[in-house]
Amino acid sequence: DAGITQSPRHKVTETGTPVTLRCHQTENHRYMYWYRQDPGHGLRLIHYSYGVKDTDKGEVSDGYSVSRSKTEDFLLTLESATSSQTSVYFCAISVGYRDRVNTGELFFGEGSRLTVL
Amino acid sequence: AQKVTQAQTEISVVEKEDVTLDCVYETRDTTYYLFWYKQPPSGELVFLIRRNSFDEQNEISGRYSWNFQKSTSSFNFTITASQVVDSAVYFCALSEGLKGGGADGLTFGKGTHLIIQP
Repeated sequence: DAGITQSPRHKVTETGTPVTLRCHQTENHRYMYWYRQDPGHGLRLIHYSYGVKDTDKGEVSDGYSVSRSKTEDFLLTLESATSSQTSVYFCAISVGYRDRVNTGELFFGEGSRLTVL
Repeated sequence: AQKVTQAQTEISVVEKEDVTLDCVYETRDTTYYLFWYKQPPSGELVFLIRRNSFDEQNEISGRYSWNFQKSTSSFNFTITASQVVDSAVYFCALSEGLKGGGADGLTFGKGTHLIIQP
């Protein structure tokens, strides 16, 4: 099984403070993703990375930035947290390959619950 | 742009009943993959199945079965003889643009909350 560790798992912070969530993987997967999950919205893609220092925006990237300086770590930063960013954040890695084509199958971390007061 | 619709927000059935979760998708690509994930009350996301756009065979795995119909752009999920442990949120998802090894993530439906009552 692919190993993903998200930290912190739970965080409560105040509006306006910076927050960084970390996703660490142990198996050298190239593609990594950050999603947020909110009631009534399912999972929505924030940012993703296709290699060290290679990242791109997803559907709901406003207010978020990411960095990937090492293959194993993908950081999600909220520069100035707002209450609308209260959510559960999931990191994922792409693990599905068939005939050398990436099928898009994702393996998810356990999630990080962020509350912004 | 791709889109996944799960019209059933919540379904409640009594244990041992059969239940079908609907999933309708939109895509312009001819090559794509469809997925189902399960999210039990504990919160983790568990992969259930992947189906590619060139394989319309139905799949059965124990009490679970999936019906993929390109003609109606649907990928429905049926649980036969449901059990309390099947209670979870189920997500349908789509990936496209996969030629050449790129992968820009999955597009998820909003999920169906399945409640199995004892």
